Amino acid sequence: AQKITQTQPGMFVQEKEAVTLDCTYDTSDPSYGLFWYKQPSSGEMIFLIYQGSYDQQNATEGRYSLNFQKARKSANLVISASQLGDSAMYFCAMRASNAGGTSYGKLTFGQGTILTVHP
Amino acid sequence: DAMVIQNPRYQVTQFGKPVTLSCSQTLNHNVMYWYQQKSSQAPKLLFHYYDKDFNNEADTPDNFQSRRPNTSFCFLDIRSPGLGDAAMYLCATSRAQGTQYFGPGTRLLVL
Repeated sequence: AQKITQTQPGMFVQEKEAVTLDCTYDTSDPSYGLFWYKQPSSGEMIFLIYQGSYDQQNATEGRYSLNFQKARKSANLVISASQLGDSAMYFCAMRASNAGGTSYGKLTFGQGTILTVHP
Repeated sequence: DAMVIQNPRYQVTQFGKPVTLSCSQTLNHNVMYWYQQKSSQAPKLLFHYYDKDFNNEADTPDNFQSRRPNTSFCFLDIRSPGLGDAAMYLCATSRAQGTQYFGPGTRLLVL
């Protein structure tokens, strides 16, 4: 069974500062994918960044970077230069390896972290 | 722009009155997913289609059904909505094991 843990129910950051959102995972699959999604109050889930378990380098997408520590089973999201528009719920998710059937592409989500950016 | 579209964005229905939510995509992805998300919780997968193959999650109530008439469209039917079915319903698409892209969601209110 797969499990994602986000231990921070809420985080606060000052505008223009960097913030790290924690995510740890548990899986017995040798191959897996890790994702971060942003969900503003409007409800849409917005894909931010992806890290494959065999990727040698940490993923980066603009102001987002993923601090992937495989031995620790952690995949923390780092947001640099926070903006007011970054205030949202953030979900970490893991995709099962291709075992066919119902597990194909299925995501396991963490409980989310609410980020509030202060001016 | 290629995207996932959900209609309507807000749906109000009466207790026990069937309701249908729709999802369409211009991404030409072969997998489509339906999630239910209640307030302050993570999304919960109800079922997904891989091409025409329907895959139901073991704990999805029989009250929830889905149809995928073609690659672009997928529908969520709630046969007899209860108060506990009030939630955000999210549609997502992907290529096989690729990244899932979500639509804006439909907020369902059951009176």
